[in-house]
Amino acid sequence: DGGITQSPKYLFRKEGQNVTLSCEQNLNHDAMYWYRQDPGQGLRLIYYSQIVNDFQKGDIAEGYSVSREKKESFPLTVTSAQKNPTAFYLCASSAPVGNQPQHFGDGTRLSIL
Amino acid sequence: AQSVTQLGSHVSVSEGALVLLRCNYSSSVPPYLFWYVQYPNQGLQLLLKYTTGATLVKGINGFEAEFKKSETSFHLTKPSAHMSDAAEYFCAVSLSGGYNKLIFGAGTRLAVHP
Repeated sequence: DGGITQSPKYLFRKEGQNVTLSCEQNLNHDAMYWYRQDPGQGLRLIYYSQIVNDFQKGDIAEGYSVSREKKESFPLTVTSAQKNPTAFYLCASSAPVGNQPQHFGDGTRLSIL
Repeated sequence: AQSVTQLGSHVSVSEGALVLLRCNYSSSVPPYLFWYVQYPNQGLQLLLKYTTGATLVKGINGFEAEFKKSETSFHLTKPSAHMSDAAEYFCAVSLSGGYNKLIFGAGTRLAVHP
């Protein structure tokens, strides 16, 4: 079955540490996205990529970085510059046109030790 | 700029009662509209979408939504709530003619009680 796999499900970060969240898709989608979800705030876009080797900042990119070296993979690094990283992170993918729905992974919950 | 407003962060209904979750949007161009459902500690699952054509859209699990351009609304309904419908629901909009960037509402948590 095609889908999006996020790992790990739970992740803990120490102060001053960078952590990387994995996102892999086998849907053959060109576009991929990272969202942050906080209670009562819906989803906010961190980064998105419409094609391999290209990505753009979303609404809350500060303290995060991404890469898109392969079509299937879009890892997100939460750097030590992100002062409030505790949240639920969701990865999605879609065809790069507005009438196609985004497909979501099951998320990674990041907490600070 | 586009935006999405979901009226009511929490909605509670009895099992078997009508479910109505409200969504209003603002967009300077014809929008594409989506409803997603999220169960605890899971990702979002597409319920239904409106792109063009028929304004009454049917989705999974017995849900439907009606696009009303004059009211800039896309409310989600289900005639009879089931306990398994308890979840958080998100309305989202994207621009027609543009690439697929979604703007989400803040979400409505639906509780279903016996």
